[in-house]
Amino acid sequence: EVQLVESGGGLVQPGGSLRLSCAASGFSFSYSWMSWVRQAPGKGLEWVANIKQDGSEKHYVDSVKGRFTISRDNAKNSLYLQMNSLRVEDAAVYYCAREWGYWGQGTLVTVSS
Amino acid sequence: QTVVTQEPSLTVSPGGTVTLTCASSTGAVTSGYYPNWFQQKPGQAPRALIYSTGDKYSWTPARFSGSLLGGKAALTLSGVQPEDEAEYYCLLYYGGTPVFGGGTKLTVL
Repeated sequence: EVQLVESGGGLVQPGGSLRLSCAASGFSFSYSWMSWVRQAPGKGLEWVANIKQDGSEKHYVDSVKGRFTISRDNAKNSLYLQMNSLRVEDAAVYYCAREWGYWGQGTLVTVSS
Repeated sequence: QTVVTQEPSLTVSPGGTVTLTCASSTGAVTSGYYPNWFQQKPGQAPRALIYSTGDKYSWTPARFSGSLLGGKAALTLSGVQPEDEAEYYCLLYYGGTPVFGGGTKLTVL
């Protein structure tokens, strides 16, 4: 059974940092492009970042460039999103996804003082 | 900035047929944009329905189909069921960068 389980969300003040993790199982993680997608409360889906199978290629939405870093550890079947300089507008449920058939249930990030 | 546009809302009767579309601000959508479609119900994670314009996942009900129509990507639901009421999102690729549409809220009434 394919599983993607996100963790690391929580409440953080503006300007703070969080590191999200996504534990993958049930499929060949090291052969998969992986993405982070977010959804602000009551809003639509927004792609945030993705990473190639070997980590050699990464892409980001303009609004997070220079602040967020996507990475992966194929030995641990894990995907990460390091989020720095967080803004109120970064508050959302963050999903990890194996492009695009499999999604996790999401982890909530709240940015507030 | 690239914008992907969907109908904000559509209403369909049970058993009917409805087509949702996905347009690109850059021009006509082609298979090279690898259109994907997702369904999302309240409180749930998105569920993938269609990839590469018209290919279905093993779990995609037969009543869902994807195509290109009039320069847009399209998702057609034939024989709509009450459980199809949901938000639907398309996604297009611009090089290595995917962009989601704003979503279509489908009401089955």
